Amino acid sequence: DTAVSQTPKYLVTQMGNDKSIKCEQNLGHDTMYWYKQDSKKFLKIMFSYNNKELIINETVPNRFSPKSPDKAHLNLHINSLELGDSAVYFCASSQDRGGGGTGGTQYFGPGTRLLVL
Amino acid sequence: GEDVEQSLFLSVREGDSSVINCTYTDSSSTYLYWYKQEPGAGLQLLTYIFSNMDMKQDQRLTVLLNKKDKHLSLRIADTQTGDSAIYFCAERRGSSASKIIFGSGTRLSIRP
Repeated sequence: DTAVSQTPKYLVTQMGNDKSIKCEQNLGHDTMYWYKQDSKKFLKIMFSYNNKELIINETVPNRFSPKSPDKAHLNLHINSLELGDSAVYFCASSQDRGGGGTGGTQYFGPGTRLLVL
Repeated sequence: GEDVEQSLFLSVREGDSSVINCTYTDSSSTYLYWYKQEPGAGLQLLTYIFSNMDMKQDQRLTVLLNKKDKHLSLRIADTQTGDSAIYFCAERRGSSASKIIFGSGTRLSIRP
């Protein structure tokens, strides 16, 4: 009954490969996010989707492509992986965009640890 | 600037109070949050405060907000070893898009 789940938990791959990370939330939220956390633990938003529509797209290389087949899923596909892509990638979801009763609280998945060799 | 600022490290003795400070940048931020990240885990929301509040208390946690100085603090009373983690301050900017800016995190360590 995990609220926000991600697969895989660990991903080790060679430079140049293409890989995908999947995220699912069963909270009924309408907004989902991808964050990247670097080795210094700095957390930066990459993308946000609301009801399958892209609403935030930070300065991220176009090798990264999010896909939201429905509002409970937000996957991240990465082409031509580079050494600098090594990080922990977190998926998150929230109930609403504006705030509402939950303060727009984001709930995070456990993270996917990506290591590019 | 863009940054939400926190000191990187804090060490306290078990049983003492911990105070983690944060300075944010956008005076129109509507919500401010504190998240906790334990080793190898995701971020867990501890508490949040709406910008029209000065203080919020929840058991051992007290959040103080000084809007004039754009300063947010988290006080943990009677700090325990299980409180060892990284604590992230975050601000929500704007109401039409879910853009939350996180601080760099404060690593709290507990001394016996």
